[in-house]
Amino acid sequence: GAGVSQTPSNKVTEKGKYVELRCDPISGHTALYWYRQSLGQGPEFLIYFQGTGAADDSGLPNDRFFAVRPEGSVSTLKIQRTERGDSAVYLCASSPSEGDYGYTFGSGTRLTVV
Amino acid sequence: AQSVTQPDIHITVSEGASLELRCNYSYGATPYLFWYVQSPGQGLQLLLKYFSGDTLVQGIKGFEAEFKRSQSSFNLRKPSVHWSDAAEYFCAVGAGNTGTASKLTFGTGTRLQVTL
Repeated sequence: GAGVSQTPSNKVTEKGKYVELRCDPISGHTALYWYRQSLGQGPEFLIYFQGTGAADDSGLPNDRFFAVRPEGSVSTLKIQRTERGDSAVYLCASSPSEGDYGYTFGSGTRLTVV
Repeated sequence: AQSVTQPDIHITVSEGASLELRCNYSYGATPYLFWYVQSPGQGLQLLLKYFSGDTLVQGIKGFEAEFKRSQSSFNLRKPSVHWSDAAEYFCAVGAGNTGTASKLTFGTGTRLQVTL
């Protein structure tokens, strides 16, 4: 597509529930990134995919967070047993290739855990 | 590990006035430096970037930034601010050409308010 698409744009869930956040990158972009932006903060790196594999998941806060990109295009960020502290805007970005800083960011998914 | 400091949380300027947003970084080697702008409900948009070469870089929307290695700074400037420039501005640093993940470390942002 023309840009990076993230769905849903807003998600409200109850504490303890499971959520999935979807990212559709720009067609042909092989690198895909997830960032999390808490209120009043800058985005923080979560995980990076080159193709189908997670090349760097050092930013995932704990094992409740998991992300996949099975066909090297769409990616899903999965959060188990959500906690109120998970409330944030989750941003996805894609770039043409590994090492290319020409990111395009999506508009994000605002997750609220109540 | 790399880090970015944006010392000003909030800045207010009058339309037509000049603007400078401060950014200091910490990184052991030559960094890749970026400025992004984020309007409410919008994704981050790249204003400009510095990889190497000329230390004064020009970006979109009339913005420029100057890399000063001796001060570990990459301040963003605009000679004359427009009301539409009101937004959140983020400075970011990348680890340079390591051949690996080009992940960014962001500062906490500076919110720019423009008065008419």
